[in-house]
Amino acid sequence: DIQMTQSPSSLSASVGDRVTITCRASQSISSYLNWYQQKPGKAPKLLIYGASGLQSGVPSRFSGSGSGTDFTLTISSLQPEDFGTYYCQQSYSSLTFGGGTKVEIK
Amino acid sequence: EVQLVESGGGLVQPGGSLRLSCAASGFTFSSYSMNWVRQAPGKGLEWVSYISGTDTMHYADSVKGRFTISRDNAKSSLYLQMNSLRPEDTAVYYCARDGGRMAYAGWFDTWGQGTLVTVSS
Repeated sequence: DIQMTQSPSSLSASVGDRVTITCRASQSISSYLNWYQQKPGKAPKLLIYGASGLQSGVPSRFSGSGSGTDFTLTISSLQPEDFGTYYCQQSYSSLTFGGGTKVEIK
Repeated sequence: EVQLVESGGGLVQPGGSLRLSCAASGFTFSSYSMNWVRQAPGKGLEWVSYISGTDTMHYADSVKGRFTISRDNAKSSLYLQMNSLRPEDTAVYYCARDGGRMAYAGWFDTWGQGTLVTVSS
């Protein structure tokens, strides 16, 4: 099974900061990597598909990059509504999620 | 509006059974693969099961042999039959649409609100 490791597990940042979350796969997954945002008590929301594709309706401050084993989700200018937990998910072999990164606003 | 609405969750004893349902609306249900994803209290997301538009099915190892996914395209509905339930199956269960229309995508572009399953004596 492919393991997905996210770092950091949590972070606190100020409005306007550039935020980067990393996801590492235990083996190469090409670009089969997706990112989700989940707010407390709510279902996850798709942000990025195929490592860098921006889902319709998602603000352009969100971007994804990477291929192979190392991937990054970047929020270029953190906004108050961006709090929540972010998950990466691979679809190269079966479907597995990373452990999540909790983002708090300072 | 594309919408998924789960139902059927509740409290069940270990070893018991439960059937979850997911009603889809706002899109051509038969054209999309569907999934169940769960989240234990305070924990991360775990993919549970997948079914294609033509009834190809896959399961996570943790539920294989105990859970059965199915769909009724005429009713635009997805189901998860859960047998031999264990305390570690306690979670919010989400139905989630695959992002590819008529072709597998591997991401989940639409989610329901979730239904809570609690396995406890």
